[in-house]
Amino acid sequence: QVQLQESGPGLVKPSETLSLTCAVSGDSISSGYYWGWIRQPPGKGLEWIGTIYHSGSTYYNPSLKSRVTISVDTSKNQFSLKLNSVTAADTAVYYCARPRGKTYYDILAIDYWGQGTLVTVSS
Amino acid sequence: QSALTQPASVSGSPGQSITISCTGTSSDVGGYNFVSWYQQHPGKAPKLMIYEVSNRPSGVSNRFSGSKSGNTASLTISGLQAEDEGDYYCSSYTSSSTLWVFGGGTKLTVL
Repeated sequence: QVQLQESGPGLVKPSETLSLTCAVSGDSISSGYYWGWIRQPPGKGLEWIGTIYHSGSTYYNPSLKSRVTISVDTSKNQFSLKLNSVTAADTAVYYCARPRGKTYYDILAIDYWGQGTLVTVSS
Repeated sequence: QSALTQPASVSGSPGQSITISCTGTSSDVGGYNFVSWYQQHPGKAPKLMIYEVSNRPSGVSNRFSGSKSGNTASLTISGLQAEDEGDYYCSSYTSSSTLWVFGGGTKLTVL
């Protein structure tokens, strides 16, 4: 059974960098899937942040692209999210995720989600 | 503003059928069959209900069905049950620079 677990600080100060890691178990991060990050501000909808392939190819939401970096560590079977220059608008539950298939176009057909971690941006 | 438009809310009585729409453009919903639907209960991660417009993952009730006509995708829930209450989101691949987008979400109330 595939499991994803987010970890990282729950509180980040404005203008600083939000850093989260997603530990993957039950599957190899090099197994050919795309691995992604999605966030959900309190009381609001879902927003795709970005996705990485095990080879290191990355795809980012243009609205966040200038501030986002997603990386993969195959030796630890995990992938990470960094979002810099955060503001209160970045306060959200952050999910890591894996789609059901290996099709590039279908990366938002996600059947494995982390439990989500709330990150609050506040001084 | 989300790239895909969903009604903010829908409601129905137990046993009835309801349909949630997801309207996009020919660059996303209308141009590709990579539309997914999610159900989300409060405090929980979303659950995939439909992928590739009309396919149900294993374990999802056949009361849930998906379809598409032109630039609008639809999720239909038949035989509405109290447990179906929650938020529903559509998503799609898009040929625009955004690449992948979600709808704004629809709150389903079972009366």
